[in-house]
Amino acid sequence: EVQLVESGGGLVQPGGSLRLSCAASGFTFSSYAMSWVRQAPGKGLEWVSGISGSGGSTYYADSVKGRFTISRDNSKNTLYLQMNSLRAEDTAVYYCAKGGSPGQYNWNDATYYYYYYMDVWGKGTTVTVSS
Amino acid sequence: EIVLTQSPGTLSLSPGERATLSCRASQSVSSSYLAWYQQKPGQAPRLLIYGASSRATGIPDRFSGSGSGTDFTLTISRLEPEDFAVYYCQQYGSSPPYSFGQGTKLEIK
Repeated sequence: EVQLVESGGGLVQPGGSLRLSCAASGFTFSSYAMSWVRQAPGKGLEWVSGISGSGGSTYYADSVKGRFTISRDNSKNTLYLQMNSLRAEDTAVYYCAKGGSPGQYNWNDATYYYYYYMDVWGKGTTVTVSS
Repeated sequence: EIVLTQSPGTLSLSPGERATLSCRASQSVSSSYLAWYQQKPGQAPRLLIYGASSRATGIPDRFSGSGSGTDFTLTISRLEPEDFAVYYCQQYGSSPPYSFGQGTKLEIK
């Protein structure tokens, strides 16, 4: 069974840091892009960050660029989100999500193309930024 | 950055009726890389449709997606009680950020 389990959320003061983790199981982790998506209380979904299967390419929403860092350890099947300089507006449930299709090799430029729609989601971990 | 606008914000229908939800992009979504998700209160989102029209595994055939370019539609042919939820579209083509629409709440009339 494909499963994603987030951890690391909690209460942090403005300006503080947190590191979220997402333990993956049931699929070949390194073959898929992974993303973090958040949802503030009573609000819609916001894509936060994504990372390619190899970890060589990372992407961020403008709202977190320069403050958050996504990474992965394919030997441990684990995705991370390091969150620094946290603000009240970062308060949300943070979901880890798996890319919907494995990376596809492009023979033209010898690179992999990864898909960032999400077919499996964790249950989420709550981050509250407040003094 | 592509901005997705969903309409209507709230849709009030009865079980058995047909639901049509719209997602409009501020610029063309490359390769029709548009997905739809369903979210119920207190739950994580669930993938319904990817590639604008392909149903995800286990999704009933009353859910269908269509569209290309900047205009996309999610149709639920005959509403079941469990379909009342919030629906989001997401684009994942071209360059990030891979943004979501603001959501459409489908409520029981």
